[in-house]
Amino acid sequence: NAGVTQTPKFQVLKTGQSMTLQCAQDMNHNSMYWYRQDPGMGLRLIYYSASEGTTDKGEVPNGYNVSRLNKREFSLRLESAAPSQTSVYFCASSADRGPNEKLFFGSGTQLSVL
Amino acid sequence: DAKTTQPTSMDCAEGRAANLPCNHSTISGNEYVYWYRQIHSQGPQYIIHGLKNNETNEMASLIITEDRKSSTLILPHATLRDTAVYYCIVRVYNAGNMLTFGGGTRLMVKP
Repeated sequence: NAGVTQTPKFQVLKTGQSMTLQCAQDMNHNSMYWYRQDPGMGLRLIYYSASEGTTDKGEVPNGYNVSRLNKREFSLRLESAAPSQTSVYFCASSADRGPNEKLFFGSGTQLSVL
Repeated sequence: DAKTTQPTSMDCAEGRAANLPCNHSTISGNEYVYWYRQIHSQGPQYIIHGLKNNETNEMASLIITEDRKSSTLILPHATLRDTAVYYCIVRVYNAGNMLTFGGGTRLMVKP
């Protein structure tokens, strides 16, 4: 059972470089999310997509863009990476929004920006 | 959303019940209590959630006090694989309101 798949697992960038983090889910979920987790901290929401064709900002959207390519895929783009974006990035999905929503997470992408 | 307070860390002996407390004294009537855990280097995993009644599933039990100001997550027979950070989250559902993960409790299950 694949669930939520994130690629790559590790990435090192130089300041100013760009890259796209990929996320795909095979559970036919409507909603998808991108979180970041800094060392020793909880998760902070970057962007989310409540359904195919929609995206909205979360708590920390600056410096990122997202694309909900189709129902399965939700990508996160860093246009000009900064050292402050060094973090572990988690993608998540859920079947439906609502009080009984359960998020399923990928295994994360560890990003270092030098 | 109501603020939650959890101990920073706890230990538990393998095979014993692990009782993880969460204080949410400012919780409002329409806020749910959610528990997730994060095993080292992995993405968080949903455990259980509830509104006012106690809940049980194959992973854990959730006990919510009658005044709803605190709750306890119970892992009935902790194993070494239950070593993780456990997040207690209180949230009222609305279209723009997302799950917010705070510091959590680092549970260490010891042999």
